[in-house]
Amino acid sequence: DAKTTQPPSMDCAEGRAANLPCNHSTISGNEYVYWYRQIHSQGPQYIIHGLKNNETNEMASLIITEDRKSSTLILPHATLRDTAVYYCIVRVAGQAGTALIFGKGTTLSVSS
Amino acid sequence: DAGVTQSPTHLIKTRGQQVTLRCSPKSGHDTVSWYQQALGQGPQFIFQYYEEEERQRGNFPDRFSGHQFPNYSSELNVNALLLGDSALYLCASSLSTGSSYNEQFFGPGTRLTVL
Repeated sequence: DAKTTQPPSMDCAEGRAANLPCNHSTISGNEYVYWYRQIHSQGPQYIIHGLKNNETNEMASLIITEDRKSSTLILPHATLRDTAVYYCIVRVAGQAGTALIFGKGTTLSVSS
Repeated sequence: DAGVTQSPTHLIKTRGQQVTLRCSPKSGHDTVSWYQQALGQGPQFIFQYYEEEERQRGNFPDRFSGHQFPNYSSELNVNALLLGDSALYLCASSLSTGSSYNEQFFGPGTRLTVL
């Protein structure tokens, strides 16, 4: 079973920041938080990952609470193309392709 | 640089038949994982191949089997198809060494319909 809890759906206006929450209260010390997204009829796409520090890349920012029991993925300026299902996954890094355990994710709908 | 490719794109089979799906990993990747995604659900891990051997397996019956070739490409075989096997089958590739997080790159998937 997935070790994360996410809201089933969220809405966001185009150009505004989208903040997607994730609870992972049972995360272990050696587990990273990963985010993937899946645009309709495509394979999942890696977005970002982190251990305990906040992370930022060209796609998004990841904010992890100090106790690591929850995190937030931030899309700073959402566009219509960001409409997708977003999956939060906890996983041990450094192992050869450790299986990703997906939950149902959050369906983000961006509207103009 | 070609990403992960899968073939065929779509496939229709009848109950009881057998099917083979194919995956070519991203250039330089040596590990291939297979996932099944039913409609409205997240992908479910089937198994992973590395060095031509099955290294991890999810909760799937023996009807699901696979193979990895020396060039790292992989096949997923499903025997005695059931209606419930209808799904999007996703292949993901990754590199076993070097990266600290072993990001998995997914292909576009094969849509299997069992009638």
